[in-house]
Amino acid sequence: SYELTQPPSVSVSPGQTASITCSGDKLGDKYACWYQQKPGQSPVLVIYQDTKRPSGIPERFSGSNSGNTATLTISGTQAMDEADYYCQTWDSSAVVFGGGSKLTVL
Amino acid sequence: QVQLVQSGAEVKKPGASVKVSCKASGYTFTSYDINWVRQATGQGLEWVGWVNPNSGNAGYAQKFQGRITMTRNTSIGTAFMELSNLTSEDTAVFYCARGRGGTSWYADYWGQGTLVTVSS
Repeated sequence: SYELTQPPSVSVSPGQTASITCSGDKLGDKYACWYQQKPGQSPVLVIYQDTKRPSGIPERFSGSNSGNTATLTISGTQAMDEADYYCQTWDSSAVVFGGGSKLTVL
Repeated sequence: QVQLVQSGAEVKKPGASVKVSCKASGYTFTSYDINWVRQATGQGLEWVGWVNPNSGNAGYAQKFQGRITMTRNTSIGTAFMELSNLTSEDTAVFYCARGRGGTSWYADYWGQGTLVTVSS
């Protein structure tokens, strides 16, 4: 079955740029999306179809997907961005999630 | 506005079944699949399956095949997930989510989650 790999944790200083990667075999040939989940809350879609932002998601969130890696980039990271982030794709009629990355804003 | 409202927490004994509901509002219920996602405490997201509210067709992740059933009632705009033969490993929060995009699938709205606890 298809697998997506994320780093368990990523740290960033306030105001700096955070990059969270998601790796999978030929992931660039598929679409990727990203969810943000804060403690005790439901996931929130922040990027879909590789690069698109849903209404209400700040412009500091952006995405890319090429080769074997999709990347979520948060520019000018704020304390409120501290959360778990999950990548997700679709493969062989199944939804596949990455293991999640905990973003810490130090 | 789009809302998915799930039923309340459940406590079940091993071997029992649980049925969780997800009531949709703010959009045409039959236009989008409803998917279910499981999250054990402190763990990641795990896809369980989907139901098409229009046709009633459903598809399940392989690990749940044989003990999962997803249905819907279009007259009340509600989707259901029933998981049988529960074990302690099924203790988790179950989310329903509206699916979009076909092969570029993503979930744009999520329910608040339903905690299912399996304990003897």
